[in-house]
Amino acid sequence: ETGVTQTPRHLVMGMTNKKSLKCEQHLGHNAMYWYKQSAKKPLELMFVYSLEERVENNSVPSRFSPECPNSSHLFLHLHTLQPEDSALYLCASSPLQGAEVGGELFFGEGSRLTVL
Amino acid sequence: SQQGEEDPQALSIQEGENATMNCSYKTSINNLQWYRQNSGRGLVHLILIRSNEREKHSGRLRVTLDTSKKSSSLLITASRAADTASYFCATDAYAGGTSYGKLTFGQGTILTVHP
Repeated sequence: ETGVTQTPRHLVMGMTNKKSLKCEQHLGHNAMYWYKQSAKKPLELMFVYSLEERVENNSVPSRFSPECPNSSHLFLHLHTLQPEDSALYLCASSPLQGAEVGGELFFGEGSRLTVL
Repeated sequence: SQQGEEDPQALSIQEGENATMNCSYKTSINNLQWYRQNSGRGLVHLILIRSNEREKHSGRLRVTLDTSKKSSSLLITASRAADTASYFCATDAYAGGTSYGKLTFGQGTILTVHP
């Protein structure tokens, strides 16, 4: 209902698998984000894309690889993950504000990842 | 303590009562936002208050901001069972320019409203 759709909603993968999470927004926004939500920890910002250019990589391990082919789509490619990477991965979008800094983020429902 | 730290960690009340959640932060902010998350779902934006505002209302929500104390509070009046969720504050710490929404979230307050 938020206009941000994430697939799959649930994913179980082994440590040697390669999988991808997909995010699509129908809001006409030009900034997209990946956040990680682990149990008992605050949301962690992973990546930010603005106009399809990565503007933030928050010290995320290289086993997470983002891709933003256009302003409506964002992917998170996963390979050789660790069990501690199990978490809820949330995608969000927002319009760039220009002179108006900050603003509301629109989140998807998340992809629940379990790494065995 | 972390930027955007909520207090209490958990709050249990009866329907009809008011719920107050607090948030403290460390750095100067452009704005502070409150989000709600139902269990296992995405976050939903509730309200944004700018650093030059002191109070803001939206329906049953009232948010205050005290930049001198680096704190904010979220008040939900006449709570309902459907208000049961986790509530997060998030701070936008950039002083100027486009911040790209690099919000820093707290760990949240789990609110349970009993019918």
